[in-house]
Amino acid sequence: KAGVTQTPRYLIKTRGQQVTLSCSPISGHRSVSWYQQTPGQGLQFLFEYFSETQRNKGNFPGRFSGRQFSNSRSEMNVSTLELGDSALYLCASSTGGGVEGEQFFGPGTRLTVL
Amino acid sequence: AQKVTQAQTEISVVEKEDVTLDCVYETRDTTYYLFWYKQPPSGELVFLIRRNSFDEQNEISGRYSWNFQKSTSSFNFTITASQVVDSAVYFCALSEPDKDSWGKLQFGAGTQVVVTP
Repeated sequence: KAGVTQTPRYLIKTRGQQVTLSCSPISGHRSVSWYQQTPGQGLQFLFEYFSETQRNKGNFPGRFSGRQFSNSRSEMNVSTLELGDSALYLCASSTGGGVEGEQFFGPGTRLTVL
Repeated sequence: AQKVTQAQTEISVVEKEDVTLDCVYETRDTTYYLFWYKQPPSGELVFLIRRNSFDEQNEISGRYSWNFQKSTSSFNFTITASQVVDSAVYFCALSEPDKDSWGKLQFGAGTQVVVTP
């Protein structure tokens, strides 16, 4: 099975711009979660989507949003970028719950905001 | 409040030494899951193990072993006979499904393991 893929792998933006990151889960997985990783805050949960619905949300401002499509692919969007949004954004997929619920991570998208 | 604490920021060992990574968690739920992930320099988080709160059996997988003790809320990880390829950041994480949050992993700060030849 192919693993979780994320595109693009690297991105450079300037303050005030917006960005969209994409995540394709493992085939058959219906849950996609997003995490932000920074040196200062570590790994923080952004949100989780399951069957096109946001099931859980972390403590991030409304500039961070996401969605999931019927094929389980997910996108996250960050509007009005700030310098502090520079981070590695990791996507994880899982079957969606129960004992099979361990998450498998993609390689991440490294976002740099100048 | 930090729910997962990894007190060791960095551990340096010489190849073939054993290394133990500490993880202390905090939850009021009776059903929860604990995980360990490895993050090599490439950045991708690699799943190592999942343990549920009802299974306190220790586990061994090759050179890796895990010690789960509910009495002390700890889930420690030992690498036996370390190798240079074990150099990475290791994260402990907690999932509390009773809060309908299967998809939410709460990570510790991570422990950087440096193995030198």
